[in-house]
Amino acid sequence: SYDLTQPPSVSVSPGQTARITCSGDALPKQYAYWYQQKPGQAPLLVVYKDVKRPSGIPARFSGSSSGTTVTLAISGVQAEDEADYYCQSADSSGTYRVFGGGTKVTVL
Amino acid sequence: QAQLVQSGPEVKKPGASVKVSCKASGYTFTSYGINWVRQAPGRGLEWMGWISPYNGVTNYAQKLQGRITLTTDTATATAYMDLRSLRSDDTAIYYCARNLDGDPYGMDVWGQGTTVTVSS
Repeated sequence: SYDLTQPPSVSVSPGQTARITCSGDALPKQYAYWYQQKPGQAPLLVVYKDVKRPSGIPARFSGSSSGTTVTLAISGVQAEDEADYYCQSADSSGTYRVFGGGTKVTVL
Repeated sequence: QAQLVQSGPEVKKPGASVKVSCKASGYTFTSYGINWVRQAPGRGLEWMGWISPYNGVTNYAQKLQGRITLTTDTATATAYMDLRSLRSDDTAIYYCARNLDGDPYGMDVWGQGTTVTVSS
């Protein structure tokens, strides 16, 4: 089965930039998507197709891609950004969707 | 605006089956794929499967093939997830999620989640 690898946790001070990486062999071929999930809530799409931001998502959320790694950056981190973040993509055939293991972002 | 509303919590015994519904509103149901995603307590998101309400084509996660069936009812704009031979590790919150416009992978509208508890 295909896996996406994320760090379990990232800590950041308010106002700084948090960067969350996601690695997978098929990422050069398949787009990545990023979701924010707060306790007791359904996931929220914050970045799609590697770099695009849905309407209503603050500009401090941005995505980038380089080879087999994609990155979600949160600039000017605020306390409300504390949440779990998941990357999602598909295997090389495009048949199976997959989520990364999730990264807990803690605002110090 | 687009919305997905799921059925209520379920408690099942091991070996039983569960069927969760997901009613869509605010958009053309047949124009967007529907995914099912689950989350065990304290764990991450797990993709379970995808269905096209337009033509009924499905894709299932390999670990669930043989136990899961996804269906839709276009007359009522409702998607269904049927999971059989339930085990304790199927205890989770189950979400339906709509695909982005023209994109079979990203998910932009999510249901509120349905808690399924499997316990003897």
